[in-house]
Amino acid sequence: QKEVEQDPGPLSVPEGAIVSLNCTYSNSAFQYFMWYRQYSRKGPELLMYTYSSGNKEDGRFTAQVDKSSKYISLFIRDSQPSDSATYLCAMSFQSGGSYIPTFGRGTSLIVHP
Amino acid sequence: DAGITQSPRHKVTETGTPVTLRCHQTENHRYMYWYRQDPGHGLRLIHYSYGVKDTDKGEVSDGYSVSRSKTEDFLLTLESATSSQTSVYFCAISDGQGDGYTFGSGTRLTVV
Repeated sequence: QKEVEQDPGPLSVPEGAIVSLNCTYSNSAFQYFMWYRQYSRKGPELLMYTYSSGNKEDGRFTAQVDKSSKYISLFIRDSQPSDSATYLCAMSFQSGGSYIPTFGRGTSLIVHP
Repeated sequence: DAGITQSPRHKVTETGTPVTLRCHQTENHRYMYWYRQDPGHGLRLIHYSYGVKDTDKGEVSDGYSVSRSKTEDFLLTLESATSSQTSVYFCAISDGQGDGYTFGSGTRLTVV
């Protein structure tokens, strides 16, 4: 079992839908939780990060962390075709003075007009 | 991508030849990472560096070596390339705070 599990999809939704992307993890030491967006043939770009549990909102994006359930989510409101990409969750904890991120495999999202 | 560049962007090489990929940053970040990304596996850490001449192995380090002689440059070397090393390689940098990493645009390597 991988430390971070993420359904690869693809997840196909109509424009304007609310999208929910999720990851589960097994290592309770994780402290930072991140979401990256990756367009085809591009490098991942950081969307949001959360430290410990709770919610964080940035425009149409909301990140949630439930450490008791070892479950994190990314919600996208009013989804747009330009949101079509692969979304990767990542998490890290401090080890030996550095933070080494562990990534999920990514969920492919398709938003169709 | 601002502050981090990878070269080359694409490379085709033959089995058994040495290959070096370069990552260059202008952010003066202490930490640099090399990942490979493959379908079904996601991003897997190869090696990382926490300072000049300070490196450590990641999850999939066999067949790879790294060097960091300057803060801004982190080199990944495949000593003798194999077809299983065909992949997209990403470099990432961070300031060590754990709250995010900046990725380069990637190098698409094909070993034939």
